[in-house]
Amino acid sequence: DVKVTQSSRYLVKRTGEKVFLECVQDMDHENMFWYRQDPGLGLRLIYFSYDVKMKEKGDIPEGYSVSREKKERFSLILESASTNQTSMYLCASSHPEGYQPQHFGDGTRLSIL
Amino acid sequence: AQSVTQLGSHVSVSEGALVLLRCNYSSSVPPYLFWYVQYPNQGLQLLLKYTSAATLVKGINGFEAEFKKSETSFHLTKPSAHMSDAAEYFCAVSENFNKFYFGSGTKLNVKP
Repeated sequence: DVKVTQSSRYLVKRTGEKVFLECVQDMDHENMFWYRQDPGLGLRLIYFSYDVKMKEKGDIPEGYSVSREKKERFSLILESASTNQTSMYLCASSHPEGYQPQHFGDGTRLSIL
Repeated sequence: AQSVTQLGSHVSVSEGALVLLRCNYSSSVPPYLFWYVQYPNQGLQLLLKYTSAATLVKGINGFEAEFKKSETSFHLTKPSAHMSDAAEYFCAVSENFNKFYFGSGTKLNVKP
């Protein structure tokens, strides 16, 4: 089975801190994604990466950056955390064919105080 | 641009009753369609996917969905709801390998 592992299930940080969320997948997937999930809004794509060192902005990239130095690892960075970034963050990976589904991690529930 | 609409943010059924969760999509090309389920404090799990092989797709846990091109719909059904089906369900569409578009989700409540 594909395993997507997010480093933290729950995280509490303070406003202005630089926050790192880590995601690792073990199935050699080319594509990796970061979403945030908020009630009533579904999943919104922050960034995705289709190869090492390659990234593209999703629908809501403001205030975030990403890093993909190795194929299996995709990091989401909150440059200066703000309270409106309190949310559930989901990482996913997939093969680069449209019919292949995404595989998700269990999510990180991030609270910014 | 792609969009996915899930009608009804909350659906409540009695145990043993039919489950029907609605999904409509917009796409300029034949899409790939997916249903995912999310249990509390977990990530999304794939229920089923449509990849143009057959219009009626069977998934896990007794769920199935029918692709209707003329209605641009991909509704999820289960003949008899079980308490363990209570979760949030997401419909998603993909045209290419880069992006997936998700609906806003439908929370299913199953009453005893």
